[in-house]
Amino acid sequence: DSGVTQTPKHLITATGQRVTLRCSPRSGDLSVYWYQQSLDQGLQFLIQYYNGEERAKGNILERFSAQQFPDLHSELNLSSLELGDSALYFCASSVAGFDEQFFGPGTRLTVL
Amino acid sequence: GESVGLHLPTLSVQEGDNSIINCAYSNSASDYFIWYKQESGKGPQFIIDIRSNMDKRQGQRVTVLLNKTVKHLSLQIAATQPGDSAVYFCAENNNQGGKLIFGQGTELSVKP
Repeated sequence: DSGVTQTPKHLITATGQRVTLRCSPRSGDLSVYWYQQSLDQGLQFLIQYYNGEERAKGNILERFSAQQFPDLHSELNLSSLELGDSALYFCASSVAGFDEQFFGPGTRLTVL
Repeated sequence: GESVGLHLPTLSVQEGDNSIINCAYSNSASDYFIWYKQESGKGPQFIIDIRSNMDKRQGQRVTVLLNKTVKHLSLQIAATQPGDSAVYFCAENNNQGGKLIFGQGTELSVKP
């Protein structure tokens, strides 16, 4: 157990819908990262927040957004969902912004 | 472009033998490298990391070697056990915040 929690574990929804994935970092970690893992793209970095501020951005779609709240938990919002958004979404956290990242168990999103 | 590639997508070894998993990276500016292990249905689990000012680092039964001249990273697992069966990813941080670029992964299968 890494100490990073993600909810929900599974999510099944329809195209065009919007969902919110939630992540709670390890106690003491200020940085939160979101990754997408799909069979054809592998593990892809989406976005990083550090202490509430966006720190780095990857190839995150405009339909996706994220934020980190004052209590340091983070949410990833996915809207106008498409079939191709079906994937595992992982959250990771680290103490600072350039160190070892601990991954949560992931949320499996299925878009039908 | 950015890429971290693995030479072998699958590796099968006998229990008790040593395993070597290789990885090539493309960005010479990267200064932090990590190996992760991912078991089925779980998030990536940190194994070992190395910074660019080192060429070797050892952990418990694992050793990471970094050759900056040829931009090559390897993970050595000593006395491989059935519990080591998983997909192994190398990842690099190229000074773009905390963004990690992951390789495609190598599936390690340990035969009893």
